[in-house]
Amino acid sequence: QQQVRQSPQSLTVWEGETAILNCSYENSAFDYFPWYQQFPGEGPALLISILSVSDKKEDGRFTIFFNKREKKLSLHIADSQPGDSATYFCAASPGNYKPTFGKGTSLVVHP
Amino acid sequence: DTTVKQNPRYKLARVGKPVNLICSQTMNHDTMYWYQKKPNQAPKLLLFYYDKILNREADTFEKFQSSRPNNSFCSLYIGSAGLEYSAMYLCASSRVGGALAETLYFGSGTRLTVL
Repeated sequence: QQQVRQSPQSLTVWEGETAILNCSYENSAFDYFPWYQQFPGEGPALLISILSVSDKKEDGRFTIFFNKREKKLSLHIADSQPGDSATYFCAASPGNYKPTFGKGTSLVVHP
Repeated sequence: DTTVKQNPRYKLARVGKPVNLICSQTMNHDTMYWYQKKPNQAPKLLLFYYDKILNREADTFEKFQSSRPNNSFCSLYIGSAGLEYSAMYLCASSRVGGALAETLYFGSGTRLTVL
């Protein structure tokens, strides 16, 4: 049973466009939602995160929109750059440990 | 220094033979995790140490062992490797215990191939 689902599996956008990556979850106990970015040959690294008490979190070009009622969230990458090409993992956890990950979205940004 | 190091980067093993993977961190983190990542699948939590206490997931309980002789070091042990163990193994660490959610710091992984 997959508790965290991500879509699409892969996404291609042009430089300057906004990339939208989606995530949904099933467990109502999840209250912390980090997004991790992984480049080839490296381990995942925290990009941005949100707590369930918030409905939006911004960090530069990266924004998380969170809908607790629908158990959905999305990561928006504004003004996408070729350097943003990576795999993005949505994760969720109850409290601050033992996160459950989604399968990831592979993003390609064409110049 | 926020580095988690994993050795080796690539490992080849024979079916039925034991495998030992190594992870280290110098951030004095109290929690260390092991995840298994297969293509087109989500990273799957195998087990984690909180301080000296080992917690293994129910569905991988009998397949993986681990040891943590000190705060910085953690190993993952497979007693008898099967073809299904071929995967990327990711080690991560975090500081748990405060009110705020903490970041997981990942190593670059060990790619295990079982033949």
